[in-house]
Amino acid sequence: TQLLEQSPQFLSIQEGENLTVYCNSSSVFSSLQWYRQEPGEGPVLLVTVVTGGEVKKLKRLTFQFGDARKDSSLHITAAQPGDTGLYLCAGEAGGTSYGKLTFGQGTILTVHP
Amino acid sequence: NAGVMQNPRHLVRRRGQEARLRCSPMKGHSHVYWYRQLPEEGLKFMVYLQKENIIDESGMPKERFSAEFPKEGPSILRIQQVVRGDSAAYFCASSPLTGAYEQYFGPGTRLTVT
Repeated sequence: TQLLEQSPQFLSIQEGENLTVYCNSSSVFSSLQWYRQEPGEGPVLLVTVVTGGEVKKLKRLTFQFGDARKDSSLHITAAQPGDTGLYLCAGEAGGTSYGKLTFGQGTILTVHP
Repeated sequence: NAGVMQNPRHLVRRRGQEARLRCSPMKGHSHVYWYRQLPEEGLKFMVYLQKENIIDESGMPKERFSAEFPKEGPSILRIQQVVRGDSAAYFCASSPLTGAYEQYFGPGTRLTVT
């Protein structure tokens, strides 16, 4: 059974600060996704990483997939109140687990003006 | 291009009744997935379907739950004889043929069992 440990669980920062959210596992994943979920809505896909060591940037968000494909990080530069939300990482292990996403518990980010 | 559609958005059922949740995937997507988000818990995989086929139902409770994705029409998640513990948000996701990991989620159905 694949598990994804996400940390921190809660993050409260001031506008303009930088932050990093971590997603760790003892299992190897074929791909890893980051989602953002607003209250009462479904998760919205932000990025998919598939290659070990891969780095993707989405404006002020930087996503990295670990070399061994067991971990990932999301870094936000100069956070804004609009970044407030629940951030989820999800991994797909492939093989017999093809198509089955394992989700982390999520990080609730609050950015204060 | 319309996203994944789910209905109803909110569903209230009394214990013992049946709940039917519907999901229409994004245009061009042939894979559908159902996930459940219990209060204070993360999203948990339930089932993976393609048209007329169940690919992986390893996350489905053994009793009372079933899912289908017919040749025509939406995917249906059916819960028979609902109990209070079934109260949760149920999300459907879809993906294209060539990327089962790139799943796009619908807005969810919030099921409340009274």
